[in-house]
Amino acid sequence: DAGVTQSPTHLIKTRGQHVTLRCSPISGHKSVSWYQQVLGQGPQFIFQYYEKEERGRGNFPDRFSARQFPNYSSELNVNALLLGDSALYLCASSLVWGLISEQFFGPGTRLTVL
Amino acid sequence: QQQVKQSPQSLIVQKGGIPIINCAYENTAFDYFPWYQQFPGKGPALLIAIRPDVSEKKEGRFTISFNKSAKQFSLHIMDSQPGDSATYFCAASSALENNLFFGTGTRLTVIP
Repeated sequence: DAGVTQSPTHLIKTRGQHVTLRCSPISGHKSVSWYQQVLGQGPQFIFQYYEKEERGRGNFPDRFSARQFPNYSSELNVNALLLGDSALYLCASSLVWGLISEQFFGPGTRLTVL
Repeated sequence: QQQVKQSPQSLIVQKGGIPIINCAYENTAFDYFPWYQQFPGKGPALLIAIRPDVSEKKEGRFTISFNKSAKQFSLHIMDSQPGDSATYFCAASSALENNLFFGTGTRLTVIP
């Protein structure tokens, strides 16, 4: 069975540019969450989506946005990139939202901002 | 503000040893406490998780001990192996918010 997939694997951008990261959840999972992991730190929650609606948002600026599609895949968008946005961006999928539901992580997208 | 505090930052043990990683939290609404293992270049993988209605849970060589009154929980790895060398993260969440709050991670090295 395929796990959570993310694309691209690596990405290099320059300051001020825009980036779109993509995530496909495990088949049957309807909730997708995004996390940012800066080198040497634990993942920080950015967004959670369930049934195409935003269900939670972490302490990130409005430059960060996301959406979930009818097939439950998701995109994370970051505008006006800053050097500090360099990180591993992780997508996690879970079966449901609103109950304790195990989250399965993808391999992440490594974003480098120059 | 770090919602989940984790220690130590790094740990080195001999093969067969029992590394112990500790975490503490403040938010009493947390009711789910998972541990994740992460290898370089990979996403975190769930190892074991506990709910606050039990004080201990074992799965294979991994054991979580949970102290609700102290708001602390810990991971013990029995008979540690070199293949266990990885970064371990504790986390916490509640059914209300559903998102995971992670600790800062413990880099474990098991020496053959």
